[in-house]
Amino acid sequence: QTVVTQEPSFSVSPGGTVTLTCGLSSGSVSATYYPSWCQQTPGQAPRTLIYSTNTRSSGVPDRFSGSILGNKAALTITGAQADDESDYYCVLYMGSGISLFGGGTKLTVL
Amino acid sequence: QVQLQESGPGLVKPSETLSLTCTVSGGSINSYYWSWIRQPPGKGLEWIGSVYYSGSTSYNPSLKSRITISIDTSRKQFSLKLSSVTAADTAVYFCARLGGSGTNFDSWGQGILVTVSS
Repeated sequence: QTVVTQEPSFSVSPGGTVTLTCGLSSGSVSATYYPSWCQQTPGQAPRTLIYSTNTRSSGVPDRFSGSILGNKAALTITGAQADDESDYYCVLYMGSGISLFGGGTKLTVL
Repeated sequence: QVQLQESGPGLVKPSETLSLTCTVSGGSINSYYWSWIRQPPGKGLEWIGSVYYSGSTSYNPSLKSRITISIDTSRKQFSLKLSSVTAADTAVYFCARLGGSGTNFDSWGQGILVTVSS
């Protein structure tokens, strides 16, 4: 069974840069998986920040960027702010209409 | 701006069928995929399944035997039925629209907590 892997937790200083990654238990993540990144704060519905690897959703600040780094998808936050403290989920399109979420990364800004 | 709203019982008994509906407003239900996603308390997100406006479906293999997702375009609603529920099915259930040719969850409902308990 394929698993989407993410760092369970990460911390970044205000104003700093952090890169979260999204991998596969078997194989490499490429653009053909249309990786997207969702942000969720406690008690709220998720919202998609990045889709199709590197396209920002409407209204998402340009300090959020997506890419492929090596064999993983990556979400980079440049100039982290306090309200970026959230859970971040990677989603991969596995084909045949199937989507698969990663376990999420809890980002702390301190 | 499309809006999605989940509705249904907040409490379901073990072994019974969980039934939820998502109502779409402010936009067309046609030409999109529509999904159900859930989140157990304190845990991560899990994709349950999707339905195209034409009625074709895709399901999470781990839940496939218990899921039925259907769509009623005339009422701008799509629905989830999950049978033989257990406490492990207790979760917040979200409905979402898939944009980007079915690869981008671009709109989400606020979610509904469903508790499985006798």
